[in-house]
Amino acid sequence: GQQVMQIPQYQHVQEGEDFTTYCNSSTTLSNIQWYKQRPGGHPVFLIQLVKSGEVKKQKRLTFQFGEAKKNSSLHITATQTTDVGTYFCAVVTNTGNQFYFGTGTSLTVIP
Amino acid sequence: NAGVTQTPKFQVLKTGQSMTLQCAQDMNHNSMYWYRQDPGMGLRLIYYSASEGTTDKGEVPNGYNVSRLNKREFSLRLESAAPSQTSVYFCASSEVGRVKAFFGQGTRLTVV
Repeated sequence: GQQVMQIPQYQHVQEGEDFTTYCNSSTTLSNIQWYKQRPGGHPVFLIQLVKSGEVKKQKRLTFQFGEAKKNSSLHITATQTTDVGTYFCAVVTNTGNQFYFGTGTSLTVIP
Repeated sequence: NAGVTQTPKFQVLKTGQSMTLQCAQDMNHNSMYWYRQDPGMGLRLIYYSASEGTTDKGEVPNGYNVSRLNKREFSLRLESAAPSQTSVYFCASSEVGRVKAFFGQGTRLTVV
């Protein structure tokens, strides 16, 4: 399957600081999705990016897809305790039949 | 609207025992998936079913079997559980065409 590497594995930030997680691939991706999993919960879809250089925003969250479509990032501005959880990137195969997930970044926000 | 429902939520097995994890979705999705989640490993695809009547292996299929009983239900069976299968198992569903996946609440399985 398609491999996507995600860094960092863990991140601790003070409330109010910014946070970024990165997803990298050695091959060109047709799309990238981002999911959030709260502690003890299940992954929940956040967004999908498909175009080269695409940038999308959801309130304090900014998602980017690289120009070469080999990397993506999720940036959270001024983190809050509600942002705590693990953030995953995922790639969906061209047939749309398989979702491959990165290893995830676990975010801890210190009040 | 229940979405994706998994049972059971928790299970403890002894090595060598068998069990079936049940999954049902009420969104009329064609595709269904089973993942396992282990610390530091992310979500790894065990098996998937692109449509009713078809199943295919994912990244880590060894030790598991699946059945797509009908369009709604996709079960995962462990024939002879091993401690290495201790994990959190998630079922998911989606429409075909690179749209989002919907996940169940997960089954936390411990094999002793």
